[in-house]
Amino acid sequence: GENVEQHPSTLSVQEGDSAVIKCTYSDSASNYFPWYKQELGKGPQLIIDIRSNVGEKKDQRIAVTLNKTAKHFSLHITETQPEDSAVYFCAPGGSHAGKSTFGDGTTLTVKP
Amino acid sequence: DAGVTQSPTHLIKTRGQHVTLRCSPISGHKSVSWYQQVLGQGPQFIFQYYEKEERGRGNFPDRFSARQFPNYSSELNVNALLLGDSALYLCASSLVVDRSAGEQFFGPGTRLTVL
Repeated sequence: GENVEQHPSTLSVQEGDSAVIKCTYSDSASNYFPWYKQELGKGPQLIIDIRSNVGEKKDQRIAVTLNKTAKHFSLHITETQPEDSAVYFCAPGGSHAGKSTFGDGTTLTVKP
Repeated sequence: DAGVTQSPTHLIKTRGQHVTLRCSPISGHKSVSWYQQVLGQGPQFIFQYYEKEERGRGNFPDRFSARQFPNYSSELNVNALLLGDSALYLCASSLVVDRSAGEQFFGPGTRLTVL
């Protein structure tokens, strides 16, 4: 099965700074690389995803970069805001849409 | 459009009891997956159903079972509850099941507490 590791496990930044979270995976067959945001009392919500045929994708303040050779992908959040405070999960996959292996999460705290 | 809905939102049971959790996917979605999320960890895959057939099973004991109905809603059943079954149970729906993995939409979860 897929082994997934996320780093760091906690991250604290000042409002306006950037945050980067890295996810490493083991299955070279993975071809779908999403990032989810989970707020307290809610289910995970997809915030950005990338497929293996591209190296980077941007959506306003968030971006995902992929290094398939090294088997890792990263979430980049610029100009962080207090509402970005949440737990972020990576869940690389590919063989089937609904069978994802999640990392253990990164708790991001943005201090005003 | 309504998102993924789950019921109940909270549930308290005692050891040895049985529990049934329910999920309604987004309209048009035919695939439903169940995940268990223990506090402080990422969701762990339990089952996936597509077109009423089991398409995948995670590393969970036979006490866990599920089914999908003709309207694509789904139930997760857990028998002989243990303290360690206390967790947030998440349901996710997706449009298809194929080798081009796609977006999953998660419900708010059912918080199960086993005493």
